[in-house]
Amino acid sequence: ILNVEQSPQSLHVQEGDSTNFTCSFPSSNFYALHWYRWETAKSPEALFVMTLNGDEKKKGRISATLNTKEGYSYLYIKGSQPEDSATYLCAFIGGGSNYKLTFGKGTLLTVNP
Amino acid sequence: NAGVTQTPKFQVLKTGQSMTLQCAQDMNHNSMYWYRQDPGMGLRLIYYSASEGTTDKGEVPNGYNVSRLNKREFSLRLESAAPSQTSVYFCASSEAAQGNTIYFGEGSWLTVV
Repeated sequence: ILNVEQSPQSLHVQEGDSTNFTCSFPSSNFYALHWYRWETAKSPEALFVMTLNGDEKKKGRISATLNTKEGYSYLYIKGSQPEDSATYLCAFIGGGSNYKLTFGKGTLLTVNP
Repeated sequence: NAGVTQTPKFQVLKTGQSMTLQCAQDMNHNSMYWYRQDPGMGLRLIYYSASEGTTDKGEVPNGYNVSRLNKREFSLRLESAAPSQTSVYFCASSEAAQGNTIYFGEGSWLTVV
């Protein structure tokens, strides 16, 4: 069973704060790393698919970086807004896993107005 | 934009009853998946179908069967429901199994009493 860890488990920030959280995954046999955003009572929505060491992706105020050699990815949110409140999931794919995603447990972000 | 549609949204079953969760996608995706989400756990893969005509076990397949009826539809069957199968079930699809973005349905809340 692959170990995909996300930290922190939960985070409360004030509107306007910038924040970041971490996804750790096995550094060997890397294929891809996904980030998803999951709002309560909705389905998870894809943010980024990252495949190359050093990848940086950006969508609006949200960005992500990838370090496959050390096995971590950071997700950054600049100037958090209440609508950013959600659970952020990362998912790892190893090359030897028949390309199946292994999800972390998520980071629950709450942005207070 | 229907995307991934799954039914039913809510179901209460008695222990030992059987039921089938239906899933259909209209994006012409090759790969489809069934996940379950339990409190304190990440999304866990039950079964997946990399392409029409194939199905494979995921991380937690016991107690479930699947059918890839055609390219659009992938059903999940509980033959004899147990309280441990109380969970939220998500169907998902992707263009191919090789690390592509996964698109999720809205979830099915199943309670087994």
